[in-house]
Amino acid sequence: GIQVEQSPPDLILQEGANSTLRCNFSDSVNNLQWFHQNPWGQLINLFYIPSGTKQNGRLSATTVATERYSLLYISSSQTTDSGVYFCAVERTTDSWGKLQFGAGTQVVVTP
Amino acid sequence: GAGVSQTPSNKVTEKGKYVELRCDPISGHTALYWYRQSLGQGPEFLIYFQGTGAADDSGLPNDRFFAVRPEGSVSTLKIQRTERGDSAVYLCASSLEAGTREKLFFGSGTQLSVL
Repeated sequence: GIQVEQSPPDLILQEGANSTLRCNFSDSVNNLQWFHQNPWGQLINLFYIPSGTKQNGRLSATTVATERYSLLYISSSQTTDSGVYFCAVERTTDSWGKLQFGAGTQVVVTP
Repeated sequence: GAGVSQTPSNKVTEKGKYVELRCDPISGHTALYWYRQSLGQGPEFLIYFQGTGAADDSGLPNDRFFAVRPEGSVSTLKIQRTERGDSAVYLCASSLEAGTREKLFFGSGTQLSVL
């Protein structure tokens, strides 16, 4: 199956700091999504971004499909940004919705 | 409803028992997915429904696991002869349409504990 690697595995940020999370994948994909899992376990969809760049408030994401990676940028981090960030991809040859998740990046934002 | 609803939120059972987990997707969403998340890991795909039919059940770990969606809305994940290794959070997600590249929306999950 497709390999999805996220880095770093853990990140501790001071409130107000910026950070970049990375997702590398091993095969062609036609679907890439970023999720935030809050401390209560709820998975929130942040971006659907198989290619290109998108922004949503303090968050933005860029996917370079030809080089098989995606980046999630968090600017001016807040304590509510704490949680686990997952990258999930769907191979071009897989059925729709069969997302392969990475192991996640655990983010802790301190006041 | 406003979001994907899963019941129960917690289920404790004994090894060997049968359990059912329910998922109520967002109204109007035709595609429904089940995932399983073990502690410290990302969710793993189990099965995907388009309407009433299972379009891809390749993620079900063995024949003790079965899922249905008889009317194309609510889905039930059924686990027979539960084992301790089945303990995990079972997540349901839905999306507007299958065959188009749209966001998945997840429920809060059912925490299953097999003693």
